[in-house]
Amino acid sequence: KAGVTQTPRYLIKTRGQQVTLSCSPISGHRSVSWYQQTPGQGLQFLFEYFSETQRNKGNFPGRFSGRQFSNSRSEMNVSTLELGDSALYLCASSLDLLAGGPGNEQFFGPGTRLTVL
Amino acid sequence: GIQVEQSPPDLILQEGANSTLRCNFSDSVNNLQWFHQNPWGQLINLFYIPSGTKQNGRLSATTVATERYSLLYISSSQTTDSGVYFCAVRENGGATNKLIFGTGTLLAVQP
Repeated sequence: KAGVTQTPRYLIKTRGQQVTLSCSPISGHRSVSWYQQTPGQGLQFLFEYFSETQRNKGNFPGRFSGRQFSNSRSEMNVSTLELGDSALYLCASSLDLLAGGPGNEQFFGPGTRLTVL
Repeated sequence: GIQVEQSPPDLILQEGANSTLRCNFSDSVNNLQWFHQNPWGQLINLFYIPSGTKQNGRLSATTVATERYSLLYISSSQTTDSGVYFCAVRENGGATNKLIFGTGTLLAVQP
């Protein structure tokens, strides 16, 4: 079974531009989450989507947004890029069985490394 | 919110040595995962272990949920074990898969 895929793998943008990152979950997984990793802040939760609905959102400004499609693929968008948005963006998917158990195990993609100049 | 602390922050080992990494969390959880981040940034799943003990080759993990900690054991370490190890937890309650990560342990295994 193919793992979580993310595109593009690397991206260079300039301040003020916007960017869209894509994530394809493992087949059959319904939940997709996004995380930002920076040297200063570590791994921080951005948001989670389930059945095309945002189920939870982290403490990030409104410039960060996302969506999920009917096939569970997800995109995140960052508008008006700032230097501090330079980071590794990681996507994770899980089957999402709310009762708990291995169905909640999350699997991560390889990430998109965004550099803002 | 729940706090996750990992120790030690850094660890240098000689090849063949054993090590124990610790993860403490401040509240009850219903999901705990250990990851190894490779040099390219990908998080590799090591264990899904909200409670109990699991083993996979040279690695094993134990979570004592009632005492709010988890341990990752690496035996006979190899240079390929180098990298950052993260513990992440999901809080009890709520319909969300949000994981809260610790700050990681940076492991360097020297030949």
